[in-house]
Parts: sequence; structure tokens; C-alpha cells
Amino acid sequence: DAGVIQSPRHEVTEMGQEVTLRCKPISGHDYLFWYRQTMMRGLELLIYFNNNVPIDDSGMPEDRFSAKMPNASFSTLKIQPSEPRDSAVYFCASSSIRGLRNEQFFGPGTRLTVL
Amino acid sequence: RKEVEQDPGPFNVPEGATVAFNCTYSNSASQSFFWYRQDCRKEPKLLMSVYSSGNEDGRFTAQLNRASQYISLLIRDSKLSDSATYLCVVKGAGNQFYFGTGTSLTVIP
Repeated sequence: DAGVIQSPRHEVTEMGQEVTLRCKPISGHDYLFWYRQTMMRGLELLIYFNNNVPIDDSGMPEDRFSAKMPNASFSTLKIQPSEPRDSAVYFCASSSIRGLRNEQFFGPGTRLTVL
Repeated sequence: RKEVEQDPGPFNVPEGATVAFNCTYSNSASQSFFWYRQDCRKEPKLLMSVYSSGNEDGRFTAQLNRASQYISLLIRDSKLSDSATYLCVVKGAGNQFYFGTGTSLTVIP
């Protein structure tokens, strides 16, 4: 089985540009999470979805960030316009409420650098 | 106040040593507890869940103290391959997972 798939793996962009990060969760998982990781702040939850519906977006830093989940197999995180302080690793994770350990499975992450 | 607090380390220990990591959490209503492991430039992966009675998985032992809101991880007979960052994770009343900033471990030959 494929795990969580994220693209791109690396993104370098200039300040002001739009950035779109993509995620395909594990098939059958009903929860999807977007995280951001930096050295200073560690791993922060940005938003999570249950059955494609956003449940908690209180971690989204500001209006420049938006996330969608149009169907069970795809989600996007968009930053518009991007700023240098958005540079971080962005992880997508998925889980199933039916899972024995309620484990979250993480994708490999997208390393974003905003110049 | 952060949901989960961990000592960032780093911990540098010789092979074969026993090392312990601690973490505290702020919400007494937290439901579930975990330790995740993250290798350099990789994604976090579940190491083990933490149960109220304490649990062991090979060289790894996890303990939970609900009264003190404290979680620990003990690694016995450290191996070089144990070098990683260990993340303390607490699941809230919803389905949010709160991650500590991680404790860095380096096992030295």
C-alpha cells in the first residue's frame, strides 16, 4: 500500500508568489491533517478534515493560508501571497478512527523555501 | 502555555546506556498519549502508544502519570540506530494531536 503522498517534495519560490501543496491520504482514512514544522516552533497543526469537512482551522496562521479537500483522496494547502517566514516543512498526515492505535501516518513532507 | 512541553536536549549517550525522556501536558482531559520518532529530514513515525498502566516494547518502556500530567520514555541498551528526535504526543478531546517540540538523542559509539 502506498503511504501518504505529498507533492512537491521541495519548493523554492519568491516572496509574493502563490504556493500550492498537495496531499493524497491513505485510501480509506477519514481524517486528514496539515502540519507545519520549524526549528523554533516544532510541529504545529494547521487544520484537519474529517470526511472531507474542515473541523478545526484554528491553527491556520492567517488569511494567506487556505486548505481544501474536494474529495476523499486529495487535499491542497495554498499560501497566497507567500512570505519568507512561511519557510518550513509542511507535512500532511492521515488516520482512521477505526485504526487500532488511532495512529497518524505522515507523508514525506514538502520543504518550502520562500526567498 | 504550550499543550505539550519537552526538554529539547540534546542527549548524547554512549552505546549501551539507558536514557529517559520526560514530557508534561497541560490539558487534564487529554485522552491518548504517544511517542513518535523522527529521523533527520524525515517524517514522524509512531514509536509506541502510552497506556495508563505503563507498557513496554522491547528496549522501550513508556509510563503515564495522569495525576502529574507527565509522560516518560525509557530506552535501555541504547543502539546507534536509536539516534533520532523523540516527539511526545497528546491527543485532545477532539481528534487533534498535539506534538511536543521533540527531544534530540544521539547515541555515540
